[in-house]
Amino acid sequence: GENVEQHPSTLSVQEGDSAVIKCTYSDSASNYFPWYKQELGKRPQLIIDIRSNVGEKKDQRIAVTLNKTAKHFSLHITETQPEDSAVYFCAASRDAGGTSYGKLTFGQGTILTVHP
Amino acid sequence: DVKVTQSSRYLVKRTGEKVFLECVQDMDHENMFWYRQDPGLGLRLIYFSYDVKMKEKGDIPEGYSVSREKKERFSLILESASTNQTSMYLCASRAIDRGREQYFGPGTRLTVT
Repeated sequence: GENVEQHPSTLSVQEGDSAVIKCTYSDSASNYFPWYKQELGKRPQLIIDIRSNVGEKKDQRIAVTLNKTAKHFSLHITETQPEDSAVYFCAASRDAGGTSYGKLTFGQGTILTVHP
Repeated sequence: DVKVTQSSRYLVKRTGEKVFLECVQDMDHENMFWYRQDPGLGLRLIYFSYDVKMKEKGDIPEGYSVSREKKERFSLILESASTNQTSMYLCASRAIDRGREQYFGPGTRLTVT
């Protein structure tokens, strides 16, 4: 089955700095890669996702890059703000086919702390 | 707005008890999932259901079972609770034809003593 490794486990930055979280996956058939943000005491929520037919996707201050050859993808947050402090999870999935459709394998999570 | 609810936010049970965790979604989603969340281990899939009465084992199904008799409700059952099942349990749902986002419930913090 799929295995997703996420690094670092904790990340501390100053407000305004950039933050980068990296994930690697093992299943070359995976073709959908979402990122979820979980604020303290709250449920995980999707913040951005990317499919394997593109190499990069941006949404305001966040971006995700994908390297299919190396089987890794990264989350980039620019101009970090204290409200970006949360746990971030990457995940990987096969987008279609069979009963595993929609099943996500998550990374271990990264605790991001943005200091004012 | 998608709403996924779970029957309890906090639950304390004794070793050996049978425990039911309930999840309800109101958006007619076909897929439903049960995860457990532990520090440093991320979210690990226990079971998922791709339609009513259909279920598949996830990555850590041992000690758990599930039931999905109605489309909106997905139950997780701990047949005989053990202390190593103390964890945060998260339910999620997803529509198969309207994007790929999984919508999570608020979680149930289960403590087994």
